[in-house]
Amino acid sequence: DAGVTQSPTHLIKTRGQHVTLRCSPISGHKSVSWYQQVLGQGPQFIFQYYEKEERGRGNFPDRFSARQFPNYSSELNVNALLLGDSALYLCASREGSLEQYFGPGTRLTVT
Amino acid sequence: AQSVSQHNHHVILSEAASLELGCNYSYGGTVNLFWYVQYPGQHLQLLLKYFSGDPLVKGIKGFEAEFIKSKFSFNLRKPSVQWSDTAEYFCAVNEMDSNYQLIWGAGTKLIIKP
Repeated sequence: DAGVTQSPTHLIKTRGQHVTLRCSPISGHKSVSWYQQVLGQGPQFIFQYYEKEERGRGNFPDRFSARQFPNYSSELNVNALLLGDSALYLCASREGSLEQYFGPGTRLTVT
Repeated sequence: AQSVSQHNHHVILSEAASLELGCNYSYGGTVNLFWYVQYPGQHLQLLLKYFSGDPLVKGIKGFEAEFIKSKFSFNLRKPSVQWSDTAEYFCAVNEMDSNYQLIWGAGTKLIIKP
């Protein structure tokens, strides 16, 4: 079975631009969470979606938004990019148990 | 705000040494506890987890952790480390009423000298 997949792997954007990151959960998993991991720190929770509804939101500005599609894949959108948005963005999926399975992440660099 | 503290940011050990990585959290209610590992170039993987029951939990690759509720701690241990244990280790906590949101420590980079 394929694990959690994320695309793209790497991305370079300029300040002020917009970015869309994508995540496909493990087959059968209906919950997707997004985390931001800045270099040298642990992941920070951004969003959780379950059955296409937002179930949790971390302390991130409104420039960050997400959605989940009927096939349970998800997109994370970030508007008006800042240098401080440079990070590894992780997606995790879950179903039933509390254990979350992580994808490889998307490395976003904002210049 | 709830927080998770990992006491050591960098640990260097020789092969066969014993390992203990500290993790403390600040939430006073019921929690679920996790240790994740990130090997170089790989994604986060679950090492072990505690939900309830025996506070001493065993995970993969010979790792174990002990939940001490009175100390708000969940320290990770391994009696004898190997070079292949070189990785970054993260402690994470989920509060029972938080919709499965994980609060993470800053991570500990472990380097094992062969």
